[in-house]
Amino acid sequence: TQLLEQSPQFLSIQEGENLTVYCNSSSVFSSLQWYRQEPGEGPVLLVTVVTGGEVKKLKRLTFQFGDARKDSSLHITAAQPGDTGLYLCAGASYNFNKFYFGSGTKLNVKP
Amino acid sequence: KAGVTQTPRYLIKTRGQQVTLSCSPISGHRSVSWYQQTPGQGLQFLFEYFSETQRNKGNFPGRFSGRQFSNSRSEMNVSTLELGDSALYLCASSRGGIESGNTIYFGEGSWLTVV
Repeated sequence: TQLLEQSPQFLSIQEGENLTVYCNSSSVFSSLQWYRQEPGEGPVLLVTVVTGGEVKKLKRLTFQFGDARKDSSLHITAAQPGDTGLYLCAGASYNFNKFYFGSGTKLNVKP
Repeated sequence: KAGVTQTPRYLIKTRGQQVTLSCSPISGHRSVSWYQQTPGQGLQFLFEYFSETQRNKGNFPGRFSGRQFSNSRSEMNVSTLELGDSALYLCASSRGGIESGNTIYFGEGSWLTVV
């Protein structure tokens, strides 16, 4: 069982469509981070959310941290083929003093 | 500034051998953490070192060990390699400890294939 559950696991959409990826947990996190990883490379940090209810925007990407700091979402507007990759949420749990990753969402944006 | 550097990038080892992977963190970062990534299990936390001390440890057998030097560089060692150890091993660094919510930055990883 993953401490951080991501959904959906796979997403294949057409260029121009919008999408949302969810990261949920029953535990409280001090912060959550979102990463994008391409095959054979290390994850690249997209954003860190720290405050409950926080919303951060990065061009066409919008990240939200839940009020209770147990969940987060990533919304992409007008997806482009360059957005293709594995999206991972990760965070440090207050309870377990360890760093956890979600199972990841594989996004494929078709031109 | 330079990012996290991992060496080697690719290596092939035989079952039963041991392997050492190296990680140089971002300058000024004192925490180095290690992760194993496989298609089946995803990204899993191995351990974290902070100021030369192991602070956190994941659920991996004792064959997996590490250390950190006074310059914050870290090494990870896997002894008696098994086929299931084939994975991408990622190192990440952060200014403070990972449990404090500090942002961590990843290296490109070391691809280990055990045959």
